[in-house]
Amino acid sequence: GNSVTQMEGPVTLSEEAFLTINCTYTATGYPSLFWYVQYPGEGLQLLLKATKADDKGSNKGFEATYRKETTSFHLEKGSVQVSDSAVYFCALRVSGNTPLVFGKGTRLSVIA
Amino acid sequence: EAGVTQSPTHLIKTRGQQATLRCSPISGHTSVYWYQQALGLGLQFLLWYDEGEERNRGNFPPRFSGRQFPNYSSELNVNALELEDSALYLCASRGDRGGSYNEQFFGPGTRLTVL
Repeated sequence: GNSVTQMEGPVTLSEEAFLTINCTYTATGYPSLFWYVQYPGEGLQLLLKATKADDKGSNKGFEATYRKETTSFHLEKGSVQVSDSAVYFCALRVSGNTPLVFGKGTRLSVIA
Repeated sequence: EAGVTQSPTHLIKTRGQQATLRCSPISGHTSVYWYQQALGLGLQFLLWYDEGEERNRGNFPPRFSGRQFPNYSSELNVNALELEDSALYLCASRGDRGGSYNEQFFGPGTRLTVL
């Protein structure tokens, strides 16, 4: 079946540190890949996405590249801020209107 | 443009009772998805409604059910509540045009606590 595995948290970083959250997937066909962010007390917001191999999604300084050969979609940011503290979810979708399949989420805490 | 709204924000029930959760999609969106976010389990797909019909359901027992109304709002019903049903229930509606085509927009969720 389709599944997403992401690194377990929590992850604690100092402000301006480099962030990597690993995400790998198993899927039939060629899924679209997503990173969602959940700030405290809020619902999920789409952070970035990539729909085909070698695509790079980017937003708010975050980036992730769709790597078909390693079935990965790792999230990176060069310099994190306290305001980036949230739970990050990697997800896939195998076709346009099917439900999302999520990883278990990674909690990030950034300290000043 | 108003986002996805959900009610109530919090709901406390006792084991064996029934819970009803509500979701209003973004205006013009016809598809609604329900997800359960239980502690330690991430987000799991529950139900998908489109144009008033149930299109797919996740690996949940039949006591999880719902419906979609003609105005595309949706209701999730959980019967015979069990302690492990305690979770955040998230609703999402799917964009069907333009730059947000096929993107799912999430509501703030309903926190269900079963005592």
